[in-house]
Amino acid sequence: KQEVTQIPAALSVPEGENLVLNCSFTDSAIYNLQWFRQDPGKGLTSLLLIQSSQREQTSGRLNASLDKSSGRSTLYIAASQPGDSATYLCAVRTTDSWGKLQFGAGTQVVVTP
Amino acid sequence: EAGVVQSPRYKIIEKKQPVAFWCNPISGHNTLYWYLQNLGQGPELLIRYENEEAVDDSQLPKDRFSAERLKGVDSTLKIQPAELGDSAVYLCASSSQGTGANVLTFGAGSRLTVL
Repeated sequence: KQEVTQIPAALSVPEGENLVLNCSFTDSAIYNLQWFRQDPGKGLTSLLLIQSSQREQTSGRLNASLDKSSGRSTLYIAASQPGDSATYLCAVRTTDSWGKLQFGAGTQVVVTP
Repeated sequence: EAGVVQSPRYKIIEKKQPVAFWCNPISGHNTLYWYLQNLGQGPELLIRYENEEAVDDSQLPKDRFSAERLKGVDSTLKIQPAELGDSAVYLCASSSQGTGANVLTFGAGSRLTVL
């Protein structure tokens, strides 16, 4: 069974610092990996999707890398801002479960002014 | 374009009472998902629909939970009777296809508190 782990569970950084969020998964037979953002009391917003054949994806200040062989993905957020404060979750879709995303528990990020 | 709409946003009930949640997916999205999210955890899939057919309900506790998606559009998730452990956020999501390439769009969720 696929297991997804996110460490650390919580992170606090001063504004302007770069954020590095980690995601690891146990089964490398994945179709893709997604990073989501969740604000308190809100649903999830998709940030980046990396297909299994890709090594990274970029969107503005966000960059996500994928290393399938080691079962790891990293989300980088450059020059963090207080508005980046949220919980960030990664989710993998394995090749045998087309409709099912397996989520990590998330990393709660606080960016202090 | 309206996103995924869920109601109610919040619901407080006594244990053993029934409760129902409603979801209206993005227009044209034929795949609909119900996820359960406990505090401090990631969402877990309860059921997935392709149009009106439930294609994955292996995680749905069928003794008390039921779901339907009549006409392949809106969906309702019901719990009867509710238990204390059902307190959680129930998230609905939709995508344009069931294949892995498509991004899921989530609703804001329905937060259930069972007293």
